Amino acid sequence: AQSVTQLDSQVPVFEEAPVELRCNYSSSVSVYLFWYVQYPNQGLQLLLKYLSGSTLVKGINGFEAEFNKSQTSFHLRKPSVHISDTAEYFCAVSASGTYKYIFGTGTRLKVLA
Amino acid sequence: DSGVTQTPKHLITATGQRVTLRCSPRSGDLSVYWYQQSLDQGLQFLIQYYNGEERAKGNILERFSAQQFPDLHSELNLSSLELGDSALYFCASGKTGGGTDTQYFGPGTRLTVL
Repeated sequence: AQSVTQLDSQVPVFEEAPVELRCNYSSSVSVYLFWYVQYPNQGLQLLLKYLSGSTLVKGINGFEAEFNKSQTSFHLRKPSVHISDTAEYFCAVSASGTYKYIFGTGTRLKVLA
Repeated sequence: DSGVTQTPKHLITATGQRVTLRCSPRSGDLSVYWYQQSLDQGLQFLIQYYNGEERAKGNILERFSAQQFPDLHSELNLSSLELGDSALYFCASGKTGGGTDTQYFGPGTRLTVL
């Protein structure tokens, strides 16, 4: 079975500073990895996903993530955050040959002026 | 706007009652997923349908049931409601229903059980 861990429940960061949101997973088979964002009072929307190929994945709004198989991680980064990036970020994993997504518990990113 | 619609937006009901939540997927998507989001449990996958058939089941209680109709809309039925069922219920849709699917989430239905 797969699992996903987001170690940081909240991350405060100042505007224009870089940020990294951490995601670790476990699985005995190949995985697909996703980052979703949830703005206040809205549903989730996809930021980026890793299916195969290049381990560095670029997404919307200037976010990127790197798949690291040896560390079983898929951390999300942005070099310079804006106030509008304040939201909750969810990492998700699905395993090859299955249909189920497992979502992490989410990380609240708060960007401070 | 994801193209996924959910009705109603808000629902307030009493313990012991039964409610039905409705979801219409994006045009062209065959798969529907249901999730429950609460403060203490986070985002929990409930169930997935693909082209009318149940495909995967998550942490769905026996008091809950769902179905996907021939026009691909889906309904989630919650019965014998308890206070702990108060949560945000999301529907998402996807093209293939497989593990590589991008899921498009609706705005959610906020259920309050009094």
